[in-house]
Amino acid sequence: EMQLVESGGGLVQRGGSLRLSCVASGFIASTNYITWVRQAPGKGLEWVSVIHSGGTTYYADAVRGRFTISRDNSKNTVYLQMNSLRAEDTAVYYCARELLGPTVTYYTDVWGKGTTVTVSS
Amino acid sequence: DIQMTQSPSSLSASVGDRVTVTCRASQSINIYLNWYQHKPGEAPKLLIYGASSLQSGVPSRFSGSGSGTDFTLTISSLQPEDFATYYCQQTYSTPRTFGQGTKLEIK
Repeated sequence: EMQLVESGGGLVQRGGSLRLSCVASGFIASTNYITWVRQAPGKGLEWVSVIHSGGTTYYADAVRGRFTISRDNSKNTVYLQMNSLRAEDTAVYYCARELLGPTVTYYTDVWGKGTTVTVSS
Repeated sequence: DIQMTQSPSSLSASVGDRVTVTCRASQSINIYLNWYQHKPGEAPKLLIYGASSLQSGVPSRFSGSGSGTDFTLTISSLQPEDFATYYCQQTYSTPRTFGQGTKLEIK
């Protein structure tokens, strides 16, 4: 069974740092696109970042320069290093696999259950 | 960035009703449009990819249509487990963007 499990969330002060982990099982993370999506309290889903199989990374404007996505192939794990945290970064963070499907379009088919980040001011 | 606009933002319906949610992109995205169902405390679930392809294991009462800028998600006969929030997402370009969500509530 393909699965993603996030960890590393918690309570952190404004300006602090956290590193989220996303462990993949049932598939090889490094041969897929792995994304981070967040949901702030009472808000909708917001795309945060992606790491491609080739290692290329992209970020949402709201986190560029503060967050870094990376991968440890030996651990089948993707990380999200979050620095200079702000109150507006408070959210549930999900990691997910983005796949190129049979319609030659991309979609996100495997999601973790999320880890909660709370930034206190 | 491509903006995705869903309507309505919320919807009250009864079991057995036919429901339609619409999603409009700020520019043409061909068929690079997915629909997700999200329930509180759970992971989002892929329903439809490529605008109209049903994800494996998803009931056939869910269907999607559209291309270019205008898309719809239809639930043909609402079941109790369908009450949730639904999101569209474009994967035509990065950053991927979601609609603001449509909360489907029991009437």
